[in-house]
Amino acid sequence: NAGVMQNPRHLVRRRGQEARLRCSPVKGHSHVYWYRQLPEEGLKFMVYLQKENIIDESGMPKERFSAEFPKEGPSILRIQQVVRGDSAAYFCASSHSNTGGFRSPLHFGNGTRLTVT
Amino acid sequence: DAKTTQPPSMDCAEGRAANLPCNHSTISGNEYVYWYRQIHSQGPQYIIHGLKNNETNEMASLIITEDRKSSTLILPHATLRDTAVYYCIVRVHNFGNEKLTFGTGTRLTIIP
Repeated sequence: NAGVMQNPRHLVRRRGQEARLRCSPVKGHSHVYWYRQLPEEGLKFMVYLQKENIIDESGMPKERFSAEFPKEGPSILRIQQVVRGDSAAYFCASSHSNTGGFRSPLHFGNGTRLTVT
Repeated sequence: DAKTTQPPSMDCAEGRAANLPCNHSTISGNEYVYWYRQIHSQGPQYIIHGLKNNETNEMASLIITEDRKSSTLILPHATLRDTAVYYCIVRVHNFGNEKLTFGTGTRLTIIP
């Protein structure tokens, strides 16, 4: 079984450009989470989505950042008008649950490293 | 989510058991204890989780005290590839509150 796939692995953008980061969850997982890790820092939660819905976006910056998880296709984290401070590793995770209360662990991808020049 | 406290760093000799402690004194009854690790530049890797019983899998064992206020992750025969940052996290299993909140973890170094 394929794990969480993120692409691209490395992305270089100039200041002011847009960055699009893609995440394909584990097959059958309907929950997706995005995290950001600045150099030499810990992982910070950004947003949690369940198919077509944003459940928790308490960690998302209010401007320039958006996320979606459409019914078909990967989840996308979009950063508009990037600035140098956006340079970081962005990790995606997925999980699944059922109405019986089962919750699976989060499984993480290997991240996209965004460099803004 | 309840907060966890871990030592910032630990060393362990290769081939010995690595015992990583975690305090979670404010854990509530519906919160699970999860352990993840992050090997340099990779995504966090799930290790194990439990509610109140001790758990074991192919990677590690998790010992949770009877009062659930602390736990220990045991890597039975540490190898150099176990060098990583280890995170102890408590997570509630309620819809809408599924995320993991990472702390600073324990940097485990396996010494040859």
